[in-house]
Amino acid sequence: SQTIHQWPATLVQPVGSPLSLECTVEGTSNPNLYWYRQAAGRGLQLLFYSVGIGQISSEVPQNLSASRPQDRQFILSSKKLLLSDSGFYLCAWSVWGTNEQFFGPGTRLTVL
Amino acid sequence: AQSVAQPEDQVNVAEGNPLTVKCTYSVSGNPYLFWYVQYPNRGLQFLLKYITGDNLVKGSYGFEAEFNKSQTSFHLKKPSALVSDSALYFCAVRARGATNKLIFGTGTLLAVQP
Repeated sequence: SQTIHQWPATLVQPVGSPLSLECTVEGTSNPNLYWYRQAAGRGLQLLFYSVGIGQISSEVPQNLSASRPQDRQFILSSKKLLLSDSGFYLCAWSVWGTNEQFFGPGTRLTVL
Repeated sequence: AQSVAQPEDQVNVAEGNPLTVKCTYSVSGNPYLFWYVQYPNRGLQFLLKYITGDNLVKGSYGFEAEFNKSQTSFHLKKPSALVSDSALYFCAVRARGATNKLIFGTGTLLAVQP
């Protein structure tokens, strides 16, 4: 069966520090991968998606970047965090044809 | 443009009563519709989807949803609410294209009172 992992689960970082969040998927090949941010415990904002290794599409201009160095690995990064980067970050995967996305457990990021 | 609306920020229901969480959508062409549930500090869990076929879709944990094309709605329902159903519920529609991108509603908080 397929599983998706995210780490770390929680993170507290000072403003201006770098960021690296990792997401890995097991049990499937060539998934579509997604990064979302959920602010204030409600709405989901799609940040990036990827349909293959090295293929990244950005949905909104921001202080973050994403990379996909391996088929089942998706990384969210920042060189310098802002206070507004605080939130709950969710990774998700899907396979073409099944339509639904499956979400990881999330990372709670607090920027101080 | 494709969009999803969840008109209620919060729905309150007593345990044992039926519940409905509303969702309306706007898409061109045939919609692919989804419901997800989120418990505090957790990721979203897939509940059910409508792609084609029967308008009444059954999903996990006793939930079901009814697709109504004329009203462009996809309301989530359960005949008898449990306290453990209390959570945040998201409706979503699949965006056009080959990426399986989903457009989410703003979420409805369901509170089931004992």
